[in-house]
Parts: sequence; C-alpha cells; structure tokens
Amino acid sequence: EDQVTQSPEALRLQEGESSSLNCSYTVSGLRGLFWYRQDPGKGPEFLFTLYSAGEEKEKERLKATLTKKESFLHITAPKPEDSATYLCAVQAAGGSEKLVFGKGTKLTVNP
Amino acid sequence: EAGVTQFPSHSVIEKGQTVTLRCDPISGHDNLYWYRRVMGKEIKFLLHFVKESKQDESGMPNNRFLAERTGGTYSTLKVQPAELEDSGVYFCASSQNRDGYTFGSGTRLTVV
Repeated sequence: EDQVTQSPEALRLQEGESSSLNCSYTVSGLRGLFWYRQDPGKGPEFLFTLYSAGEEKEKERLKATLTKKESFLHITAPKPEDSATYLCAVQAAGGSEKLVFGKGTKLTVNP
Repeated sequence: EAGVTQFPSHSVIEKGQTVTLRCDPISGHDNLYWYRRVMGKEIKFLLHFVKESKQDESGMPNNRFLAERTGGTYSTLKVQPAELEDSGVYFCASSQNRDGYTFGSGTRLTVV
C-alpha cells in the first residue's frame, strides 16, 4: 500500500531561521511527488511536482528535492507569511490518478 | 480565472439525515476529484471523474455515498444516511491534466 510520512508534525522557527521538512514515501512506482501549502480554512495550494530522483524545484524561499525514498522542502530565511501546513502527496504510476497524502507539517514562523 | 467553488462551506446535520455537497470545478477542466479529511487523519481520495464518467471510485467508503457529475460540469456528493464517522472536511479538486490540481476550500461536515 502506498504510504507517505511527514516529519516533523510541527515546527517553530524564528524569522530568518532556515530549515527543512521531510517527506518519506513508499509507492509502487512513483509517477510524481507533490508539495502543497494549506492555510487554515482553505484548501491545499499547489507548490511543486517532482518526477524523478535528483530533481529540484524552487519558488521564492522554497526549494523541493527528491530522492528514491524521500523528498525535502527546504525553507530559506522564512518569513511569518510562510506559516502554514505543508502537505506532501504521491501519485503512483499506472491507471489511478489519486494522490496519497501525508498528514502534513505545521510550520509556524515567529517574527 | 475563477477557482474551484464548493458549497456549503459548513454543514451541521443530525445522524440519519441526508446532505448534498456541491463542487463547481474550473471551467474547462475535465477531471474532477473528491477527497476527505477526517479529524486527525490525512486527506484521503474518494473518487475521480473524467467529464461525466467515474474513472476511479476506489476510495468511496460505502454505498451511503453517491457522487454524480451532471453533464460533465458541476459535481455533487450525497451522503445518505449520514453517520457520525462521516464528519470531516470534504475537498474537491479539478485539473486539465495530471499535474495541476486546484483544490477548493472544502465543505466542513459535522454529523451530530
């Protein structure tokens, strides 16, 4: 069964303090790994899709990387507005397009 | 471009009643997905429409849940009769391809 585990569950940072979020996965053939951001009362907002080990993508202060077993979301010099829950999801190769989500990491950035 | 719209945003119903959730996808998006997050758990897939056809309904929990997509446009998810364990946030997403999923803000369903 496809599975996604995210760590830590919660993370508190000071503004400007860089860190990384982890997403470990097991999947029967990876088609894509997705990162989403979710604010309270909102739906997940798409950030990145990674398709193969070694791939990296960047957006502002965020950088996502992928290996065969895990993905990292690096946050460089975070700001309070980066506070949110970050979700990781995998999509298996094959017929189904369903995303399998982890429980998320709740990030709080203090000013 | 208008996003994915879901309503109601909140619904409180009694056990045994019926509730219908609605999702309006982004115009032109053939793919429509329903997901659910139960308290303390991860977001889980329910089903996938391509236009008006059910492509994958492997995540539907039981036959109390009925999803429809009229004419390949908006979709409804009916729960009848509702049970306490159906409480959670129901998300709808749409996409034109397999890479750009746009989620709605969700419907928070509380069954009392």
